[in-house]
Amino acid sequence: KQEVTQIPAALSVPEGENLVLNCSFTDSAIYNLQWFRQDPGKGLTSLLLIQSSQREQTSGRLNASLDKSSGRSTLYIAASQPGDSATYLCAVNRYNAGNMLTFGGGTRLMVKP
Amino acid sequence: DTGVSQDPRHKITKRGQNVTFRCDPISEHNRLYWYRQTLGQGPEFLTYFQNEAQLEKSRLLSDRFSAERPKGSFSTLEIQRTEQGDSAMYLCASSSGITTDTQYFGPGTRLTVL
Repeated sequence: KQEVTQIPAALSVPEGENLVLNCSFTDSAIYNLQWFRQDPGKGLTSLLLIQSSQREQTSGRLNASLDKSSGRSTLYIAASQPGDSATYLCAVNRYNAGNMLTFGGGTRLMVKP
Repeated sequence: DTGVSQDPRHKITKRGQNVTFRCDPISEHNRLYWYRQTLGQGPEFLTYFQNEAQLEKSRLLSDRFSAERPKGSFSTLEIQRTEQGDSAMYLCASSSGITTDTQYFGPGTRLTVL
């Protein structure tokens, strides 16, 4: 059974700091990995999707890497801003199995002005 | 592209009542998913449709839960005889089914069972 873990569970940083969020998964037979953002009481917004054959994806100040063999992904946020405050979730898609996602518990990020 | 919509956004019900939620996916997305999220946790997969066919159901989906997607467009999720443990955010997502297959989520329906 696939298990996804995110560390740390919560993080508080001053504005402007670069930060790294971690995600690990137990079964390396994944199709892809997605990073999402969730604001309190809201749905999920897709940030980045990395296919299993890819090593990283970038969008603006966000960079996500994937090391499938070691079961790890990181989300790097450059020059953090108060508007980045949210919960960040990673999710893996079991290989060729209908694309249902297995989520980690999330990292709750607070960026202080 | 108006995004995934869900209705209602909030539902408060008494234990033992039946509730039904609706999800309208992004048009032309042939895959539709239901997830459940409890406070402080990540979403958990419930069920998945490709067009009108329900292809997989989680063991979390007890026999009190039923989902339909009759014409391959919108979907409904019904919970019968609600219990307090059903209180959660119910999220719907859709995807196009092509290779990159990013899932796009709706705003969710928050259910509170009293």
